[in-house]
Amino acid sequence: EAGVAQSPRYKIIEKRQSVAFWCNPISGHATLYWYQQILGQGPKLLIQFQNNGVVDDSQLPKDRFSAERLKGVDSTLKIQPAKLEDSAVYLCASSLVPKNEAFFGQGTRLTVV
Amino acid sequence: GENVEQHPSTLSVQEGDSAVIKCTYSDSASNYFPWYKQELGKGPQLIIDIRSNVGEKKDQRIAVTLNKTAKHFSLHITETQPEDSAVYFCAASNQAGTALIFGKGTTLSVSS
Repeated sequence: EAGVAQSPRYKIIEKRQSVAFWCNPISGHATLYWYQQILGQGPKLLIQFQNNGVVDDSQLPKDRFSAERLKGVDSTLKIQPAKLEDSAVYLCASSLVPKNEAFFGQGTRLTVV
Repeated sequence: GENVEQHPSTLSVQEGDSAVIKCTYSDSASNYFPWYKQELGKGPQLIIDIRSNVGEKKDQRIAVTLNKTAKHFSLHITETQPEDSAVYFCAASNQAGTALIFGKGTTLSVSS
């Protein structure tokens, strides 16, 4: 089966610019997650969707980050405006519910200069 | 909320030796504990997981043990090979559909 697809793989932007990441989960997976992984650390949850509804966005910096999953399939994560500390790998993952097994995409490496 | 501590942060072994990585969790309601392997430039890949109704699970050279009383779980890799070199993450979640909370990772280096 096809895995979780993410694009772009790499992005370099200047601080205060905006950026968007795209994710297409595994077909049939109702749950979609966006994680932020700072170099040398474990993934940290930003937002979790169940179909097109938000389950948990408690750690999403809502003043600059937004995410949507309009049709309950693919999703976009946006940062506006970006800060230097947003430099990280943004990982998308999906899973079947109620199973917890999550499958990750390759991630988008964001560098803010 | 849940907090997952992972040790050691780095681990170097000789090919053929065993490697053990340990994690502790704080939320007694957690009942699902996966381990992920992440190679350079790739996303984390699930290698083994265990649920709270099981004390041990094995898959070829990899095994995971869980001690619910002490709230810790461990990854055991036997007969290590150079291709086992990667960053390993433990994680925990407390119910179906709840996002995973990850440890900080262990960089395993296997030298031949």
